[in-house]
Amino acid sequence: AQTVTQSQPEMSVQEAETVTLSCTYDTSESNYYLFWYKQPPSRQMILVIRQEAYKQQNATENRFSVNFQKAAKSFSLKISDSQLGDTAMYFCAFLDPGAQKLVFGQGTRLTINP
Amino acid sequence: DAGVTQSPTHLIKTRGQQVTLRCSPKSGHDTVSWYQQALGQGPQFIFQYYEEEERQRGNFPDRFSGHQFPNYSSELNVNALLLGDSALYLCASSWRLNSPLHFGNGTRLTVT
Repeated sequence: AQTVTQSQPEMSVQEAETVTLSCTYDTSESNYYLFWYKQPPSRQMILVIRQEAYKQQNATENRFSVNFQKAAKSFSLKISDSQLGDTAMYFCAFLDPGAQKLVFGQGTRLTINP
Repeated sequence: DAGVTQSPTHLIKTRGQQVTLRCSPKSGHDTVSWYQQALGQGPQFIFQYYEEEERQRGNFPDRFSGHQFPNYSSELNVNALLLGDSALYLCASSWRLNSPLHFGNGTRLTVT
């Protein structure tokens, strides 16, 4: 069974700083997808960024980028020029296309301070 | 374009009771998945419905059951509620089985 581990329960940075959230996963599959989701107090799970395992190039979405290390089974999220609105729980998630279910990590609570 | 809508927003039930949660998928989506998120935890997969059939199921007891209707909306039913069933229940929809999930705002269930 796949597992996803987020080793940082909480993080806190100042506005405009860069922050990196860590995620490791365990799988025997070669084809899969990885995601970072953001969950603000509104509770809605919002997709931040997605990475296909077969793509070597790291995904980027505006201020959000990932460092995908397939051999190390590591998938970190970097948030540049952090904003107050980035304050939220962040979840790393794994999708095995064959199983069709997301496996989530425990989450990292990120606080951006003014 | 309406996103995923869930009802009710909050619900309080007593141990032993039964509860039904509802989900309408995003327009154009035909697949619905349900997740349980306990306080301070990541969501856990309950099951997924496509073409009105349960396609995948997570490690949840038979007390958890569901249904998908011809209009793609879905219900999650939980029987014989336990205190441990208190959680945020998230519904997610997608088009077919292999596209990005869109989540609703969830239903907060409290069992007393």
